[in-house]
Parts: sequence; C-alpha cells; structure tokens
Amino acid sequence: GAGVSQSPSNKVTEKGKDVELRCDPISGHTALYWYRQSLGQGLEFLIYFQGNSAPDKSGLPSDRFSAERTGGSVSTLTIQRTQQEDSAVYLCASSLVWGEGQPQHFGDGTRLSIL
Amino acid sequence: GQQVMQIPQYQHVQEGEDFTTYCNSSTTLSNIQWYKQRPGGHPVFLIQLVKSGEVKKQKRLTFQFGEAKKNSSLHITATQTTDVGTYFCAGYNAGGTSYGKLTFGQGTILTVHP
Repeated sequence: GAGVSQSPSNKVTEKGKDVELRCDPISGHTALYWYRQSLGQGLEFLIYFQGNSAPDKSGLPSDRFSAERTGGSVSTLTIQRTQQEDSAVYLCASSLVWGEGQPQHFGDGTRLSIL
Repeated sequence: GQQVMQIPQYQHVQEGEDFTTYCNSSTTLSNIQWYKQRPGGHPVFLIQLVKSGEVKKQKRLTFQFGEAKKNSSLHITATQTTDVGTYFCAGYNAGGTSYGKLTFGQGTILTVHP
C-alpha cells in the first residue's frame, strides 16, 4: 500500500480481555516499529523488528505484551488480560531498512480503550 | 536509561509570531530527528541532523543540532495556522546497548491564533 496501515482504528474492550492489533507496513520496508502514545504524551518505544526478528523485547511494558511479524511484512501486537492502564494509541511505523538515520513512516494508530 | 526532554510543553502564539522548541538529551546522540503530528494525525518525519553544530532550513523552519550533540532546537519564523500541531524531537543514543532505538521527547504542542 501507499502507507502504513493499522487495524482496527479503534478498539474498545473490557478489562481482562485479550486484544490483537495489526500493522501492515509500507511494501518493501524491512524494519517495523511499535510505539505507544498516551494522551498528550510522547511516544513510548515498545519493540522493533528487523525482518521477522525482534532482537530487543525489553521495551514491552509487561509479559502481557507480545509481538510477532511473519513473512517480513504484517506484524501483530497482542495484549493479554488487558488492564485500564493499557488504554492508549498504539502506533506502528516502518522504515526501508533498520538502523539509525532511517526516517520512520507512521500509521494512523489504533486507539485502544479498556473499560 | 536515555531521556529526551522537550520544552516548552505548550506554546500559544499569534499568527506571524516566531516559535521555538528545545530538545535536551541526557546522553550524547548520534543523530536527531524531528517529527510533526497534526491534531488527530500521526507523526510525520520532518528532518534529520547528524553533524555537531549542524543547521538545516526548510522554508520557515530552522533546525539546529548542538555542538555537544546533546541538544537541538526547531525554530519557526512567522508562524501560520498550518503550523499547528505537536513537534517531537527523537534521538538515537550514541553507542551503548540502545542502538537503533529512537527515543522521543514528550513534544511541544503549538497553537496558532489567527
């Protein structure tokens, strides 16, 4: 596609449920990044993928969070047993290759609300 | 860990006034990027600075990277209503174990009154 696509755009769920967020990066981009943005805050780095590999998972807030990427393309971020503090906008970005100096192209995000 | 602080948090200006946002890192940066996020939108890449003391201009926007590569600024001359949004700086830590991790500042929210 022309840009990074994320789905769903909005997700409202009850506390304790699992949610799965999807990111479809720009075609040909090998690097993919997940961020979390709380209201009025900056972007909190969660995880990045170099191809299908996520070398550093230390940015994930807890073991309830996991992410995978298959085929070097689509990525999913899964949050298990959601808590109210998980409410935020989850942004995905991609870049042509991984490494410093690469501009990151963002999707419109998934706005997650935990009731 | 690395922290990137941005000030001010909010800035309200009259159209035509100048605007500056400042970014300070707790560690030396290898490079710094600036992004703009319009209300309701997603961050959009503006520019990257790499060299110590580097200055780059984009029309009314001037970006600077400090000599020590620990601070940066964005200056907008004669603001317009189209400049409204949140401006983020984001830096890569020079060395260490955080290679490839982009750390964002909290952003400066700019509002422009016509």
